[in-house]
Amino acid sequence: EAQVTQNPRYLITVTGKKLTVTCSQNMNHEYMSWYRQDPGLGLRQIYYSMNVEVTDKGDVPEGYKVSRKEKRNFPLILESPSPNQTSLYFCASSSTLRLSYEQYFGPGTRLTVT
Amino acid sequence: RKEVEQDPGPFNVPEGATVAFNCTYSNSASQSFFWYRQDCRKEPKLLMSVYSSGNEDGRFTAQLNRASQYISLLIRDSKLSDSATYLCVVTPSGAGSYQLTFGKGTKLSVIP
Repeated sequence: EAQVTQNPRYLITVTGKKLTVTCSQNMNHEYMSWYRQDPGLGLRQIYYSMNVEVTDKGDVPEGYKVSRKEKRNFPLILESPSPNQTSLYFCASSSTLRLSYEQYFGPGTRLTVT
Repeated sequence: RKEVEQDPGPFNVPEGATVAFNCTYSNSASQSFFWYRQDCRKEPKLLMSVYSSGNEDGRFTAQLNRASQYISLLIRDSKLSDSATYLCVVTPSGAGSYQLTFGKGTKLSVIP
């Protein structure tokens, strides 16, 4: 089944404790992206990657890091989480070889930083 | 001016009703347009792309007006299962065209 998976789905952590949210897709997509969704603010892009070893900042990159060492994986790293990073996070992927630009989203990771 | 604007609703409509949502975008060079659907606390999913000529998919009709920079979604014969938040999505032109800009969504509740 074609899908984007994220782990963990739910995470409660404390300020300053480094964490990684994993994202993996099995569709051989070139493009991957991370978003956060907050009430009243909608979906905002954190980072994106056009292919392996190619990453770039989105609209709200502060406090986050990413890497793209393999095509299928695009982990999101919070080196020192803070309460303002409490949010619902979505990973998404898309093929750059097709013209539909449809993005496939993972099920989301609900992060709470206390 | 915000890049993509939508009326947040909620739109509360009875089953069987016809409901329409509009969305405006600020970048006249925007290239591609979509409606995504998001159920509560779940991931967004593509509902349909929006073409200049207008397009229909069953009970759903999408239209694009480039001159006025707005997109519309019409849902006919609303079902309870149509209850969701509908996200208007726009991409820029050129090399960044994989970057999606999302509206904040319009919430629809279909009532029995």
